[in-house]
Amino acid sequence: DVKVTQSSRYLVKRTGEKVFLECVQDMDHENMFWYRQDPGLGLRLIYFSYDVKMKEKGDIPEGYSVSREKKERFSLILESASTNQTSMYLCASSFPLSSSSYEQYFGPGTRLTVT
Amino acid sequence: QKEVEQNSGPLSVPEGAIASLNCTYSDRGSQSFFWYRQYSGKSPELIMSIYSNGDKEDGRFTAQLNKASQYVSLLIRDSQPSDSATYLCAVNSGGYQKVTFGTGTKLQVIP
Repeated sequence: DVKVTQSSRYLVKRTGEKVFLECVQDMDHENMFWYRQDPGLGLRLIYFSYDVKMKEKGDIPEGYSVSREKKERFSLILESASTNQTSMYLCASSFPLSSSSYEQYFGPGTRLTVT
Repeated sequence: QKEVEQNSGPLSVPEGAIASLNCTYSDRGSQSFFWYRQYSGKSPELIMSIYSNGDKEDGRFTAQLNKASQYVSLLIRDSQPSDSATYLCAVNSGGYQKVTFGTGTKLQVIP
């Protein structure tokens, strides 16, 4: 079974703090993703990585950065947390079934509240 | 225009009935299609993948794909209260690892 874990289920931080969210997968997947999910807006891609030290911006990268130093670990960093970054953060990983098919598997999510 | 569209619902069906969930997408080059189930407060769980036109069955679930009309659907037979969840449609355009998610349809199965 694919296992994707995230460092915290719930997190409360203050405005201006630097926040680290960690994601680890144990299936040797090449691709890893960070999403945020908000009511009415669905899942929005923040960043993804297709290899160690490689990263690509998603649809809403502003205010975030990422780090992938090892294949199994993908970190999301909120440089200076703001209240509009209060959200559910979801990490996912995927592997290629074919050149055009990548099933994504999600971690349990981190509900971040910024006060 | 949204890339992947779903009716937000809620879709209410009685226990034992067939639930039909629909999704349309805008990119004609899309090649892979997925259905995820998400219980309240939980993360999405992959339940079906479909890659070619037609039907794909897995237990009580059937995914249907029509690329010419750019829609994909999920049928749940013999619906159970435990099927009550939000169902997300996701579409993968070939050549990239990214998928685009719809905002989901909330399904309520009434006992």
